[in-house]
Amino acid sequence: DGGITQSPKYLFRKEGQNVTLSCEQNLNHDAMYWYRQDPGQGLRLIYYSQIVNDFQKGDIAEGYSVSREKKESFPLTVTSAQKNPTAFYLCASSIDNGAPTDTQYFGPGTRLTVL
Amino acid sequence: AQSVTQLGSHVSVSEGALVLLRCNYSSSVPPYLFWYVQYPNQGLQLLLKYTSAATLVKGINGFEAEFKKSETSFHLTKPSAHMSDAAEYFCALNNAGNNRKLIWGLGTSLAVNP
Repeated sequence: DGGITQSPKYLFRKEGQNVTLSCEQNLNHDAMYWYRQDPGQGLRLIYYSQIVNDFQKGDIAEGYSVSREKKESFPLTVTSAQKNPTAFYLCASSIDNGAPTDTQYFGPGTRLTVL
Repeated sequence: AQSVTQLGSHVSVSEGALVLLRCNYSSSVPPYLFWYVQYPNQGLQLLLKYTSAATLVKGINGFEAEFKKSETSFHLTKPSAHMSDAAEYFCALNNAGNNRKLIWGLGTSLAVNP
């Protein structure tokens, strides 16, 4: 089955530690995205990548880093510089054919809790 | 500036009643609009999208939405609510510029009462 996988589903971290969230897709999509979701705030874009070895900051990139070494993988690192990292993190991908109807498909999410 | 407003952060309906979730947009260019559904502790799933081919768009699970340019709206409806429809619903607008970022509404939580 084609899809997007995120691991782990639940993640606990101590303050001051970096943590990396995994996102893998086998849809052969060019674009990948990371969102943060907090109650009542909808989805906020952290980073996105339209091609391997290239990525752009979204609206709330501070305290986060990403890499895109392979087309199918887009890991997100939450660094100790992120002031309030407890949230639900969603990864998405899309074909990125240049059309405004390009649809983003989402993974199941990772819930990060800082203790 | 482009924006999406979802009126009503919480909507409650009885099972079998009409579901109406409101989405209004602001856009200086032709909009492309999406509705997604999110069940608790899960990712988002596409319900339907407006591509300008037709103003009435049918989606999955019996949902549909009508694009009304004069009202700058793209409201989501379902004739008869089912308990399984209880979820969070998000409306999104495509920014057709080079960065291709979606602009998201804050979501509407739908509760279905027996």
